[in-house]
Amino acid sequence: SQTIHQWPATLVQPVGSPLSLECTVEGTSNPNLYWYRQAAGRGLQLLFYSVGIGQISSEVPQNLSASRPQDRQFILSSKKLLLSDSGFYLCAWKSAGVNYGYTFGSGTRLTVV
Amino acid sequence: SQQGEEDPQALSIQEGENATMNCSYKTSINNLQWYRQNSGRGLVHLILIRSNEREKHSGRLRVTLDTSKKSSSLLITASRAADTASYFCATDFTGANSKLTFGKGITLSVRP
Repeated sequence: SQTIHQWPATLVQPVGSPLSLECTVEGTSNPNLYWYRQAAGRGLQLLFYSVGIGQISSEVPQNLSASRPQDRQFILSSKKLLLSDSGFYLCAWKSAGVNYGYTFGSGTRLTVV
Repeated sequence: SQQGEEDPQALSIQEGENATMNCSYKTSINNLQWYRQNSGRGLVHLILIRSNEREKHSGRLRVTLDTSKKSSSLLITASRAADTASYFCATDFTGANSKLTFGKGITLSVRP
């Protein structure tokens, strides 16, 4: 069966420090991968998505970046965190093609102090 | 930008009652999906309805879709305290690359 792993669960980082969040998927190949962010009490904002290795589409210009070095690995990074980067980050995957539901990871709660 | 807009923003009902949540969207879609989020947790996919479908059932869930009005509703029948969570609708656009766009969510509280 397919599973998605996202870590760490919580993270407290100082302003200006780097960030690396990792997401891996098991049990499927060539998934579409997504990074979402959820601010407190708000809906989800799509940050990046990828339909294949090395293919990254950015939805929101910001100081974050994403990479997909392997088929089932999706990484969210920042060189210097801002206070406004605090939030709940969720990774998700779905099978390529239409009319499939998304499977979300358990999320990383990032607090920038 | 937000595509889906849920209504109401918050809903409080007694256990055993039905809960109806509504969602409106703006553009053409491939499908519309409903998700549930328990406090501080990841999202769980509940149900997907395709643009050519009008109604779908899954257990105690019933979802309808009216593409002419660009709206959907999620009905949870015989609610339980364990249904307390935030519920989100999300739309998947027509086009080459699938990407879900979420509304802000509805907070459902079911009182025991």
